[in-house]
Amino acid sequence: GAVVSQHPSRVICKSGTSVKIECRSLDFQATTMFWYRQFPKQSLMLMATSNEGSKATYEQGVEKDKFLINHASLTLSTLTVTSAHPEDSSFYICSARVSSGGPGETQYFGPGTRLLVL
Amino acid sequence: AQSVTQLDSHVSVSEGTPVLLRCNYSSSYSPSLFWYVQHPNKGLQLLLKYTSAATLVKGINGFEAEFKKSETSFHLTKPSAHMSDAAEYFCVVSLSYNTDKLIFGTGTRLQVFP
Repeated sequence: GAVVSQHPSRVICKSGTSVKIECRSLDFQATTMFWYRQFPKQSLMLMATSNEGSKATYEQGVEKDKFLINHASLTLSTLTVTSAHPEDSSFYICSARVSSGGPGETQYFGPGTRLLVL
Repeated sequence: AQSVTQLDSHVSVSEGTPVLLRCNYSSSYSPSLFWYVQHPNKGLQLLLKYTSAATLVKGINGFEAEFKKSETSFHLTKPSAHMSDAAEYFCVVSLSYNTDKLIFGTGTRLQVFP
């Protein structure tokens, strides 16, 4: 089956520092990856859609300069939380869609990264 | 516009008894519907999906869901709960021809008692 990994699984950082989270599709190519944010005991909210070789598309209310997304290859997308603050603490989850399929294809989710900003 | 409502935030059952997790959706166009499970501090795992084929969808781990257009429902069921089923379950809707925009329900936490 399609496997998506994320690294790191957990990160603690000081306020003002930047944190990079990696999302990899391990056994398939993913032209499109997605980044979600999940607050404690809440549902997932789509932050942005990451397309290989082009700029990411951000959802309304998500600061593109705060959450930098780079999709440099067909198997890797990165999310960088710049100048992190305590309110950025959250569970960040990525997903990937198989390149061979169209927009109707299933998204496969990574295990998530828990970010804690002190 | 699309939306999904999970009617119960918490469901508790005894091991070996049936599970019913309720989900109602709203969609202007033909929807795709999914159920995902999330165990604590883990990512989401796809249980099953409906994409306009058979209305009764069988998924992994003995779960199934029935798409009822007249009731705009997609309830998740399992005949006999197992302790390992304890987790958070999300009902998700999208357009059938474009699943890039997934709309998540607020989730139902399933507790299974021995």
